Amino acid sequence: GAVVSQHPSRVICKSGTSVKIECRSLDFQATTMFWYRQFPKKSLMLMATSNEGSKATYEQGVEKDKFLINHASLTLSTLTVTSAHPEDSSFYICSALPLAGGQGQDTQYFGPGTRLTVL
Amino acid sequence: GNSVTQMEGPVTLSEEAFLTINCTYTATGYPSLFWYVQYPGEGLQLLLKATKADDKGSNKGFEATYRKETTSFHLEKGSVQVSDSAVYFCALSFTGGGNKLTFGTGTQLKVEL
Repeated sequence: GAVVSQHPSRVICKSGTSVKIECRSLDFQATTMFWYRQFPKKSLMLMATSNEGSKATYEQGVEKDKFLINHASLTLSTLTVTSAHPEDSSFYICSALPLAGGQGQDTQYFGPGTRLTVL
Repeated sequence: GNSVTQMEGPVTLSEEAFLTINCTYTATGYPSLFWYVQYPGEGLQLLLKATKADDKGSNKGFEATYRKETTSFHLEKGSVQVSDSAVYFCALSFTGGGNKLTFGTGTQLKVEL
């Protein structure tokens, strides 16, 4: 149980285009999902907290107009990188927190990540 | 603020050697503690966790004990395998703090034959 999927697993795009990444909890509901960015040989940097039915909360220094987050249902959150540039190339990872009261509600379950390369 | 400190890697061991990866934390209150593992090219997988002092988390031969006195959560395994080669992340979170995870910098483990 507690499986989180991401799509696509890797994407290459041209500079100036937008890219959407999906994060789904497959066998549980999650009111809260998190988006992270991981640089090579570095730890994960929390970008934003995504709550179902409300606006995402962004960490300091993360541009909310550049990284659009939508959490329209209890099993799906999306991250759209708008007007992507080469410096946005990175490994993006999402995680999902099971619904309050559910098993493992204090544990984040991670997706496999999406490798974004902007040319 | 909260922080997690891990020993720097890479750690290189021979197969069947004993593994210890140190992790200490700084936090106000009593967080839940986690170890996550990341295999090459993949996302993070929960390895084990402990939610209160003296709890021992264990999974796949790995174990870690929540030590409040030393604010530590060291990861151990008695006999490592080549397949254990990965990056290991120690992390903490507070249920009342939105469950945001604070990660250590990660420790790369390489196990050789």
